[in-house]
Amino acid sequence: SSELTQDPSVSVALGQTVRITCQGDSLRIYHANWYRQKPGQAPVLVISGENHRPSGIPDRFSGSSSGNTASLTITGAQAEDEADYYCNSRDTSGKRLLFGGGTQVTVL
Amino acid sequence: QVHLVQSGGVVKKPGSSVKVSCKASGYTFTNYGISWVRQAPGQGLEWMGWISTYTAKTDYAQTLQGRVTMTTDTSTTTAYMELKSLRSDDTAVYFCGRVHDYGGPGESDYWGQGTRVTVSS
Repeated sequence: SSELTQDPSVSVALGQTVRITCQGDSLRIYHANWYRQKPGQAPVLVISGENHRPSGIPDRFSGSSSGNTASLTITGAQAEDEADYYCNSRDTSGKRLLFGGGTQVTVL
Repeated sequence: QVHLVQSGGVVKKPGSSVKVSCKASGYTFTNYGISWVRQAPGQGLEWMGWISTYTAKTDYAQTLQGRVTMTTDTSTTTAYMELKSLRSDDTAVYFCGRVHDYGGPGESDYWGQGTRVTVSS
């Protein structure tokens, strides 16, 4: 398959937990990476590989996967977490990358 | 610090070509690849392809095969993305990203600031 599927939007109350999912056949083979993007800005890597947070990313961000689904969890969402989140992984050929359609996270 | 600095925005006519540059600094250029991603107005991210700066091997998105060429100049630590036969739906912000090279493309941990390309007659 050459697609990664994300829910278009999700909302979370301030301080609560939200999970964003990404589904695709290639996720059975390859890990997902997760990016946060705010309007007018470049993407920022928040989770890579199995569950690695780059320097500077708060530990309230975590990643997991099961079968064909990868998840990004924000535990204790903050106002500054409001953004679009994209998953990304290789396709089943292993040669190319795919992006999910993105999930807009609103913090209420 | 790692920096990727892209060339400035341009306006192009349909049918013409555009070449966007991405100057890297703050790390050993040939230890990482370069990915290119674009974002049309109001749309999501679209992966365009990547180049291994070590081997010069490229892989492109199938939707762009034949129109896109990615190259690097290791002497100036600069990557280039050329897109030909421009159409109005190529109007987008184009980003370069430093990509971990696992023999195939990995995650991008640093990004350029983006280059706006507008295709209009």
